[in-house]
Formats: sequence, structure tokens, C-alpha cells
Amino acid sequence: SQQGEEDPQALSIQEGENATMNCSYKTSINNLQWYRQNSGRGLVHLILIRSNEREKHSGRLRVTLDTSKKSSSLLITASRAADTASYFCATVGTGGGNKLTFGTGTQLKVEL
Amino acid sequence: EAQVTQNPRYLITVTGKKLTVTCSQNMNHEYMSWYRQDPGLGLRQIYYSMNVEVTDKGDVPEGYKVSRKEKRNFPLILESPSPNQTSLYFCASSPRGTRDSPLHFGNGTRLTVT
Repeated sequence: SQQGEEDPQALSIQEGENATMNCSYKTSINNLQWYRQNSGRGLVHLILIRSNEREKHSGRLRVTLDTSKKSSSLLITASRAADTASYFCATVGTGGGNKLTFGTGTQLKVEL
Repeated sequence: EAQVTQNPRYLITVTGKKLTVTCSQNMNHEYMSWYRQDPGLGLRQIYYSMNVEVTDKGDVPEGYKVSRKEKRNFPLILESPSPNQTSLYFCASSPRGTRDSPLHFGNGTRLTVT
């Protein structure tokens, strides 16, 4: 079953612009993670944010988490063509297990 | 170099012919997992393992088997593959599970079953 749903499904922007992707989930979480996938390749971890955190930064990436709305956003500032990829959110529930459930992803295209 | 290695990268087979996709990690991780990725469905977990000899079903375990005899290896076995198992498969690992640390992914195995 899918836990996270990303929005939009696809996003096309110009280089230098900011890109914002949103993720909504259904049940209480232990943490939420964002991953990037270049076409057909393995996923690469970007940021892990715990349920008691509201915001985390890593370089040009900013992730926010609103547990009351069960949503998260990933902001990529000053995007580059190399940021073109699919971005997935994934959640770990509070039930004590280690199941990481992925959403269906946002396809980001950054054009020169 | 720390990595998760899957083999093969591409595999074409016929219905019913048993196959194994290997996965090995050199990071001494306790947790390993298999996912399949299908268009429009994202990644779905097949099986995972918290440690040697400890495996559990994920969301879509039917038609698959796994084993964890050694810490570094976590092979995925399809005893009798069917066309609906045509997919992109990923192996992943993490130090102690997903509650504290992210997953490290292999580069994937694209399986076609005819």
C-alpha cells in the first residue's frame, strides 16, 4: 500500500528557479525520508526528518514536515540541469517496525 | 568503496525458469531489503531482513523467496517466474533498519519474463 503521495506528478522548470515538491501521507510516522532517482538507476538518499523535527537543510535542499497536516515538502533552490530526476518521499510508521513505504514520486525536469 | 551490488543488471527469462538475483553489501549493514518498481506504483517492498536468518514479508512477497545466510548477502529467488514479475528490482541496505538511518540502494536489476 502506498503511504506517501507526491504532488505534482511532474514538474518542469528553468535552471536557476526553485522547485517545490509535496508529499502527503496517511498514518503517524517515525520519520520521513526523501530520495532522488536518476533515470532507471538506484535511489539516493537526500534527507531524513524525524517526526519531532519541523525543518532540515542540506546544501540547496530544504525539507519541512507538518505532522498535523501529515505532509512534507522538498524545496530545491537555484536548480540545475543535473537536478533533473525523480524524487520520492518515503515514510516509516510508528508501529515499531522497519517498513519504509514509498510514494509514487515527482518527475522533475530542469531545462537550460 | 561502500556499495550495494546487484547482479545481473539485466535479465530476460521465460516463464517458469527459476532464477536468482544476487545482492551483496560491503558496509556490514544489518538491514537489507528488496523492492520492485513499476510505472505508476512507485517502489513496493518484497521482503526484508533485520539480520542473519531473520527475514520478513513486505507488501508484495508472493512468488518470491529470500535467504539471509550471511550478513553481506541477500539473494532474491523467483522459483517459477511469471510475466507479472517483469519489473525493475532494487536491493537496499542500512546499518540498523529504517528508523534511524536511510537506505543505500543498488543500481537495480531489470527483469523481463516472457
